[in-house]
Amino acid sequence: QKEVEQNSGPLSVPEGAIASLNCTYSDRGSQSFFWYRQYSGKSPELIMFIYSNGDKEDGRFTAQLNKASQYVSLLIRDSQPSDSATYLCAQRANSKLTFGKGITLSVRP
Amino acid sequence: DTAVSQTPKYLVTQMGNDKSIKCEQNLGHDTMYWYKQDSKKFLKIMFSYNNKELIINETVPNRFSPKSPDKAHLNLHINSLELGDSAVYFCASSRQSGGYEQYFGPGTRLTVT
Repeated sequence: QKEVEQNSGPLSVPEGAIASLNCTYSDRGSQSFFWYRQYSGKSPELIMFIYSNGDKEDGRFTAQLNKASQYVSLLIRDSQPSDSATYLCAQRANSKLTFGKGITLSVRP
Repeated sequence: DTAVSQTPKYLVTQMGNDKSIKCEQNLGHDTMYWYKQDSKKFLKIMFSYNNKELIINETVPNRFSPKSPDKAHLNLHINSLELGDSAVYFCASSRQSGGYEQYFGPGTRLTVT
């Protein structure tokens, strides 16, 4: 079973801090990775994807991929209460996405 | 001008009944998906269609039958509903097959009593 692990959490940070969300995966054939945000009672919303080793920045969000260590992370700078949600990591392999169980982030005002 | 829409939003029914959920996307995407999210929030793929052709069929009971009349629509019919079918069902679409960036509908919360 090719899995995506999101074992940390729930995570609580103060407003303005950097939130760091981590994800590990077992399938070395995974080609790309996605971060989705899901507010309570809502559908998953794509916020970032990354294909290559290294960092990819988009506004306050930075995705980091390390294929040698098989981890992918999401950094949220200047965290806001509106960032409070569950963040789902997904890997693309075998023509489909496999999701982790998610990390719940709470940003305290 | 909702990108991916689903009906109904809520569905409450009794064990043994048959029900359907409908999905439509207006993004011009070729590929559509059905996912199930259980009470622990674990999101798992069930089916995928590319341009009306079934391309992914995970280990799902054959009480679940998807149908894609055209590439903009994907429906899910469930026969003989069981308590364990209670979950949120999400439809999603992507520009092409292969698990690329997917965009989700609002979900259908199914409750089987």
